[in-house]
Amino acid sequence: NAGVTQTPKFRILKIGQSMTLQCTQDMNHNYMYWYRQDPGMGLKLIYYSVGAGITDKGEVPNGYNVSRSTTEDFPLRLELAAPSQTSVYFCASSYPSGRASEAHEQYFGPGTRLTVT
Amino acid sequence: SQKIEQNSEALNIQEGKTATLTCNYTNYSPAYLQWYRQDPGRGPVFLLLIRENEKEKRKERLKVTFDTTLKQSLFHITASQPADSATYLCALVHQAGTALIFGKGTTLSVSS
Repeated sequence: NAGVTQTPKFRILKIGQSMTLQCTQDMNHNYMYWYRQDPGMGLKLIYYSVGAGITDKGEVPNGYNVSRSTTEDFPLRLELAAPSQTSVYFCASSYPSGRASEAHEQYFGPGTRLTVT
Repeated sequence: SQKIEQNSEALNIQEGKTATLTCNYTNYSPAYLQWYRQDPGRGPVFLLLIRENEKEKRKERLKVTFDTTLKQSLFHITASQPADSATYLCALVHQAGTALIFGKGTTLSVSS
């Protein structure tokens, strides 16, 4: 299993450009997440999905969009890039047990380092 | 307001000593708490999970405690090694949600 893969690893965008960060997992996980991590800060949740066709906002969703058409893929779209979106982006996935409150560890991808200038 | 805080940004210890990292939370009622390790340029890797009804969990040289009265979790690495040098993140799930809320992390440096 490759686990969680993310592309690209690095990207430089100009202000106002758009791009899609790709995330794929091969563990048949239902839950998928997008986080951003700024220097010296914890991970902040952008969006998450509990299954194909279902997405929900996290703590910092503004400026981003997501879709979940398959179990495996969870792309993150930046429509009009701004310098404030310079960050490292991590995708993660997990598979909960039957109960919503049950614990489940998250598996993270290697990250995409994005710079907006 | 709701907060999750890891009190030390950096912790420096000598090889062989026990490292103790602290995670405190405010205005959450976590169903469980998790600890992750993150190496530079990499994604976090899951280490341990402890549920609200558990006091202590162990895995090899790692031990986690969870005190819901103090609203605190302690993460211990015994017989620390230079290879344990990394940033350690605590994360919790509030009772009502499924997504993780992360602390900022503590960077541990173990010198030989």
